Amino acid sequence: NAGVTQTPKFRVLKTGQSMTLLCAQDMNHEYMYWYRQDPGMGLRLIHYSVGEGTTAKGEVPDGYNVSRLKKQNFLLGLESAAPSQTSVYFCASSSGQGHQETQYFGPGTRLLVL
Amino acid sequence: GQNIDQPTEMTATEGAIVQINCTYQTSGFNGLFWYQQHAGEAPTFLSYNVLDGLEEKGRFSSFLSRSKGYSYLLLKELQMKDSASYLCAVRDSDYQLIWGAGTKLIIKP
Repeated sequence: NAGVTQTPKFRVLKTGQSMTLLCAQDMNHEYMYWYRQDPGMGLRLIHYSVGEGTTAKGEVPDGYNVSRLKKQNFLLGLESAAPSQTSVYFCASSSGQGHQETQYFGPGTRLLVL
Repeated sequence: GQNIDQPTEMTATEGAIVQINCTYQTSGFNGLFWYQQHAGEAPTFLSYNVLDGLEEKGRFSSFLSRSKGYSYLLLKELQMKDSASYLCAVRDSDYQLIWGAGTKLIIKP
């Protein structure tokens, strides 16, 4: 059981370039999430999905797009990278949003936009 | 607005006890979580409270007072491996997690 995996682990982009971050989970979870983590701030939700084929906006969705074509995968796209998108990106999954459902996190992707 | 406050950094001695506080103001409340995050790693689940009172799990305990919008995480018999950031998160009325910025705990021998 690998849990939640993310690729790549680290990436450097130039302003204006695009890229896709891949998240995969093998726990058969319905819910998946993309967060960004910046120094001095809490995790902020970018987008999330409550099931295959569905996506919804979180707190900070601008400049990002997502897709959930398969239950086990959740992709995060940056259409035109900006320096403000330099951050650590975490993917998480959970079996639901019930009271005791916890989120399981991937190892993170460190993105630097120059 | 929604807000979760935690101290930025705390220092404690190996073998001692430390209490990390969290206060929150959110639109609704559907539970409070504590996660541990070692530097450069992913957050991992520690505890969950939805009713007032103390939940104990080995060396770690978590307390909740919903009327005060307050929780604390208590770590006993501190070990060097407990050096990490501790994240408080509240599930709001939309069942979304609102995260605090985390408390960096430094353990000294």
